[in-house]
Amino acid sequence: GIQVEQSPPDLILQEGANSTLRCNFSDSVNNLQWFHQNPWGQLINLFYIPSGTKQNGRLSATTVATERYSLLYISSSQTTDSGVYFCAVNHAGNMLTFGGGTRLMVKP
Amino acid sequence: EAEVAQSPRYKITEKSQAVAFWCDPISGHATLYWYRQILGQGPELLVQFQDESVVDDSQLPKDRFSAERLKGVDSTLKIQPAELGDSAMYLCASSSMTGGNFVGTEAFFGQGTRLTVV
Repeated sequence: GIQVEQSPPDLILQEGANSTLRCNFSDSVNNLQWFHQNPWGQLINLFYIPSGTKQNGRLSATTVATERYSLLYISSSQTTDSGVYFCAVNHAGNMLTFGGGTRLMVKP
Repeated sequence: EAEVAQSPRYKITEKSQAVAFWCDPISGHATLYWYRQILGQGPELLVQFQDESVVDDSQLPKDRFSAERLKGVDSTLKIQPAELGDSAMYLCASSSMTGGNFVGTEAFFGQGTRLTVV
């Protein structure tokens, strides 16, 4: 089956710093989503981005489907950005497969 | 705003007891997913429905887990008997389909059910 790998697995930032999270996938996909898991465990939709670049405030994402990767950029990080970030790819048969996540801690 | 509803939010059960979780997807979403997430890991698919039909249940431990979506709307996931290793977050998600080419659109998740087996 398709493999989804996220890096880095853990990231510690000082408030105000910028960061880039990466998601690599092993096969062609129909679309890709980025989620932020809040402390209560709910997955919050950040981006639905099959290809190209999207921006939402301090967050932006780029997917290069032909090269099988996606990047999530966080600028001017805040403590509220802490948590786990997941990418998930939609592939054959409308399956949705997750990566292992990046655990982000932003220190004040 | 439409949401995926799950209940209960938290459940504590004793080993060997039966437990059930309920999910109501966003209205009109034909695809419904159940995931299990063990602490520190990414969600893993247990079962995927397209309307009332199971599309994929290859990772569902069928000796103790069952899932149904009888009318193609809401769904129930059951565990009987529960084991200590079943302690996890159980997440439900739904998505719609584009046209007729079986490509899913954006998936949305419920708040999850956190199960503790003691």
